[in-house]
Amino acid sequence: AIQMTQSPSSLSASVGDTVTITCRATQGIRNDLAWYQQKPGEAPKLLIYAASTLQGGVPSRFSGTGSATYFSLTISSLQPEDFATYFCLQDFRYPRTFGQGTKVEIK
Amino acid sequence: DVQVVESGGGLVRRGESLRLSCAASGFTLSGYWMTWFRQAPGKGPEWVGNINRQGTETHYVESVEGRFTITRDNAENSLYLQMNSLTADDTAIYFCARDATECRNSVCYDVHDIWGQGTMVTVSS
Repeated sequence: AIQMTQSPSSLSASVGDTVTITCRATQGIRNDLAWYQQKPGEAPKLLIYAASTLQGGVPSRFSGTGSATYFSLTISSLQPEDFATYFCLQDFRYPRTFGQGTKVEIK
Repeated sequence: DVQVVESGGGLVRRGESLRLSCAASGFTLSGYWMTWFRQAPGKGPEWVGNINRQGTETHYVESVEGRFTITRDNAENSLYLQMNSLTADDTAIYFCARDATECRNSVCYDVHDIWGQGTMVTVSS
């Protein structure tokens, strides 16, 4: 199975900061990567798919880039509602696999 | 509203079975692949398996292969997850999700765009 290594596992930031989360795949996955946001007690919410395409309704402060084995999610100008856990998911090969998650906390 | 709602979770003993349901509304189920995910307490999500539009093709994560079966009834707009020989490792919230297909530059992607709120399955040992 393709393993997705996500980093950091957690970070502390302030409102207005820019943060970047990365995911590395153990083999090339083209750009078949999505990013999800999850808040406690809720289902994951799709933010970005195809590595860089913003899902409808998602604020433009979220952006994604990458291909093959290296991907990143950047949140510009963090807002209070952005404090959550973020996961990457590869949809290139079965079984689909997630990164371990990054918890974004308020500093 | 476009939504999916899971049901059927509960507390079972090790070795027992459980069948989860996922009711789709606001869209025609037959037009979409569907996926089951799960999330153990305090852990990240895990992909469990998926099923094609007609219900003729399924894929599973190795840990559930041979024990779990995904089926669908498009006429009833419903998706199912039959879980047999349950163990404590299967304790999780189970989510169903719609798989939209989005194409960019002649390449198409699975997009798990609509998720339910999940149903909790607890397996006691």
